[in-house]
Amino acid sequence: DAKTTQPTSMDCAEGRAANLPCNHSTISGNEYVYWYRQIHSQGPQYIIHGLKNNETNEMASLIITEDRKSSTLILPHATLRDTAVYYCIVRSRYGGSQGNLIFGKGTKLSVKP
Amino acid sequence: DVKVTQSSRYLVKRTGEKVFLECVQDMDHENMFWYRQDPGLGLRLIYFSYDVKMKEKGDIPEGYSVSREKKERFSLILESASTNQTSMYLCASSSLGGDLNYGYTFGSGTRLTVV
Repeated sequence: DAKTTQPTSMDCAEGRAANLPCNHSTISGNEYVYWYRQIHSQGPQYIIHGLKNNETNEMASLIITEDRKSSTLILPHATLRDTAVYYCIVRSRYGGSQGNLIFGKGTKLSVKP
Repeated sequence: DVKVTQSSRYLVKRTGEKVFLECVQDMDHENMFWYRQDPGLGLRLIYFSYDVKMKEKGDIPEGYSVSREKKERFSLILESASTNQTSMYLCASSSLGGDLNYGYTFGSGTRLTVV
């Protein structure tokens, strides 16, 4: 079972920041938070991941709370092409089947003009 | 720039047929995975492989088998296709990062319809 809880859907105005929340209250010290997104009719695409520090790359920023029980993915200037389902996934830092990606239902983000 | 290639984008097969879904990656990744995706159920892991000739069952292996004869190729086999196997099938690969600092790369998917 997925170890995360996300809102089913969210809307965002084009050009504004999109803030996607994720709860992972049972996360252990050995688990990363990963974010993927899936644009309609395509395979999921890796966005970003983190352990306990905030992370930023060319696509997004990831803010993880100090207790690591929740996180927020931030798309700083959302465009129409960011409309997708966003998946927050908790994943073991060790190999083997514990490290497999287990997808939940995700958040359907709709960016509107 | 295509890294994970699935042989067919759309496939229509008859009930009872043996179906092969092929996946090839050109990133020299050790790990390969097969998922299926259905409305309301999300992505579910069918089988995975961490090395050539090696395979492990995921969450929903029933009705499927896999083959990994070469590092770059991972095949999903439906021994006797049934209508409840109509779905989008997604292949992924990842490298064997000791600290798992590597994401998965997914293919574009194969939409299989069994009639």
